[in-house]
Amino acid sequence: AQRVTQPEKLLSVFKGAPVELKCNYSYSGSPELFWYVQYSRQRLQLLLRHISRESIKGFTADLNKGETSFHLKKPFAQEEDSAMYYCALSGTGANNLFFGTGTRLTVIP
Amino acid sequence: DAGVIQSPRHEVTEMGQEVTLRCKPISGHNSLFWYRQTMMRGLELLIYFNNNVPIDDSGMPEDRFSAKMPNASFSTLKIQPSEPRDSAVYFCASSYGYEQYFGPGTRLTVT
Repeated sequence: AQRVTQPEKLLSVFKGAPVELKCNYSYSGSPELFWYVQYSRQRLQLLLRHISRESIKGFTADLNKGETSFHLKKPFAQEEDSAMYYCALSGTGANNLFFGTGTRLTVIP
Repeated sequence: DAGVIQSPRHEVTEMGQEVTLRCKPISGHNSLFWYRQTMMRGLELLIYFNNNVPIDDSGMPEDRFSAKMPNASFSTLKIQPSEPRDSAVYFCASSYGYEQYFGPGTRLTVT
């Protein structure tokens, strides 16, 4: 069965400090991994997708199949990064997503 | 484009009452998803439709929950009878590919 684990419910960092939001998964096939973000008073939206291998708003995430991880990283946190972050998984070609429980990131000015 | 539309935005009801949540997906999207968000369990997929057909309802908690999609532009999630443990934020999302677009959610409180 598929599972997405985000071990930290809350994470606080100072502005300018590096940030890493952890995500581990279990899936028997080849998964697609995503990070979704929900800023205050906004809708949940896609931040990035592992296949794209791009940096969005300074965030990157690398899929590590050996460690079954997809951690989200940013070298210098900004106040506007404060939000709820969800890691999500889908099977190759599948429509549905399985979400982790989310991590609330607070960037302290 | 207004995006995914959900109504009502807030619902307060008493235990035992029927609750109906509504969703209008983005025009042209062929998949629709219903999620429940709680502090303890995060976002849980309840059911999803592809081309108006329910594909996977294994996340529906119990028979008190039902969902329909009578056409490509409308879906409902019904809880009957409602219980206090159903209190949560319910999201609808639609997609036409890998990216899901979420509605603003309906905050349900059952007293």
